[in-house]
Amino acid sequence: DTGVSQDPRHKITKRGQNVTFRCDPISEHNRLYWYRQTLGQGPEFLTYFQNEAQLEKSRLLSDRFSAERPKGSFSTLEIQRTEQGDSAMYLCASSLEISTPETQYFGPGTRLLVL
Amino acid sequence: DQQVKQNSPSLSVQEGRISILNCDYTNSMFDYFLWYKKYPAEGPTFLISISSIKDKNEDGRFTVFLNKSAKHLSLHIVPSQPGDSAVYFCAASGEGGSQGNLIFGKGTKLSVKP
Repeated sequence: DTGVSQDPRHKITKRGQNVTFRCDPISEHNRLYWYRQTLGQGPEFLTYFQNEAQLEKSRLLSDRFSAERPKGSFSTLEIQRTEQGDSAMYLCASSLEISTPETQYFGPGTRLLVL
Repeated sequence: DQQVKQNSPSLSVQEGRISILNCDYTNSMFDYFLWYKKYPAEGPTFLISISSIKDKNEDGRFTVFLNKSAKHLSLHIVPSQPGDSAVYFCAASGEGGSQGNLIFGKGTKLSVKP
């Protein structure tokens, strides 16, 4: 399978704990995006990387959230001191910058439940 | 303020008939529009897209129409099949289709009945 993969698929944690999610993009894609989706809503943009550089962050990305893409391949999204409001599906997408038009391809998501 | 709106939360269609899903947007700078299909517990799957320089794009059973003056696009599925039952999201982007993020609508749940 050469699509976008995410790990874990599900995560249950207690309020106040830290969690980390991983995303592996399609191998030749140089752009990687993180989105969050809550019930009844469409995905909401959090941040994106072009290669290893984090180029844009949403105001939704509070200081408890940090994302990295150290070698321009996989990415991690960490949430510190989780809150119940962080419960959501976290989606990763990747794209190839030079493609015209640019289309983002999504992974299966990580569903987070904060108790 | 929602920039991309899907005003119908749900749509029910008989198998074999046409499904029409609608989407409105407010930002005239959007120049690339996409439709994604999402099954429960899965990520969105790319379906079809259209650039703002076109008014129609067709791929098999799926056709997207864009009316720039009305800031409206629609996805037509014909004939509809039970496997098309899913949530459909409309998304938009700007700056020549190469920018940081997609703006999504809230989705329309399509049910195709046998």
